[in-house]
Amino acid sequence: TQLLEQSPQFLSIQEGENLTVYCNSSSVFSSLQWYRQEPGEGPVLLVTVVTGGEVKKLKRLTFQFGDARKDSSLHITAAQTGDTGLYLCAGGGRDRGSTLGRLYFGRGTQLTVWP
Amino acid sequence: ETGVTQTPRHLVMGMTNKKSLKCEQHLGHNAMYWYKQSAKKPLELMFVYSLEERVENNSVPSRFSPECPNSSHLFLHLHTLQPEDSALYLCASSQEYGRGGYTFGSGTRLTVV
Repeated sequence: TQLLEQSPQFLSIQEGENLTVYCNSSSVFSSLQWYRQEPGEGPVLLVTVVTGGEVKKLKRLTFQFGDARKDSSLHITAAQTGDTGLYLCAGGGRDRGSTLGRLYFGRGTQLTVWP
Repeated sequence: ETGVTQTPRHLVMGMTNKKSLKCEQHLGHNAMYWYKQSAKKPLELMFVYSLEERVENNSVPSRFSPECPNSSHLFLHLHTLQPEDSALYLCASSQEYGRGGYTFGSGTRLTVV
C-alpha cells in the first residue's frame, strides 16, 4: 500500500488569507490528483499533475508536483468562504507485483474559511 | 442526465434488512468503483469493475455484494449489516481502470441501526 500523508488535518482561517496544504509520501507516483469534497457531496476533481516540478494554476489555486513525484502542495490565495471543504490528494501508482494501476487517497485536509 | 448518479441519497436500515445501492453513469467510462468513506479514515476502495468484470475486491465482508449488469450501472447489495458499516458510500467512474480523473457521485449516507 502506498500511503499519502496530508497536512494539516484541519485548517481554519479568515476570508482573504492565504494558505498552503501538503500531500507527502515516500512513494513515487505516476500522477497526482487533487479533489475538493463539500459536505453531503462526493469529491470533485480539481486538477491532475503528471510531471515532476509541474505547476498548474486554477484561478486562485496553485498546485505543484514535487520534482521527485513524491509530494504535492496546494496554495490558495485570498481564500473565500466558498473554498470551504475537504481537500483530498490522490496518487496514481501500482501495488507491488501488480500490473494494474490504482489511485491512493490521503485522509484529506478539512478547510474552513470564515467570513 | 450527466455525471454519476447515486440513489438513494440517505438510507437507514436495520441489521436484518436487505437493501441495494444504485449507481449510474452516462459518461462512457469503462471502470466503476465503490468506496467507503468513514470519519477520520481515508477513502477505502471496496470494489472495482472494469469493462463489467470485477477486477478488485479488497477483503470486503461478504455482507456487501456488488453487481455490474452493464457498463453504465453498478449496484451494491447489502444484507445483515453491522452498525460499524454506517458510512458514506461513494460510487465513482473513470475512463480506464486506475487511470485518469475519477468522477464521483454524491454518495449514499448509510446508517445501520
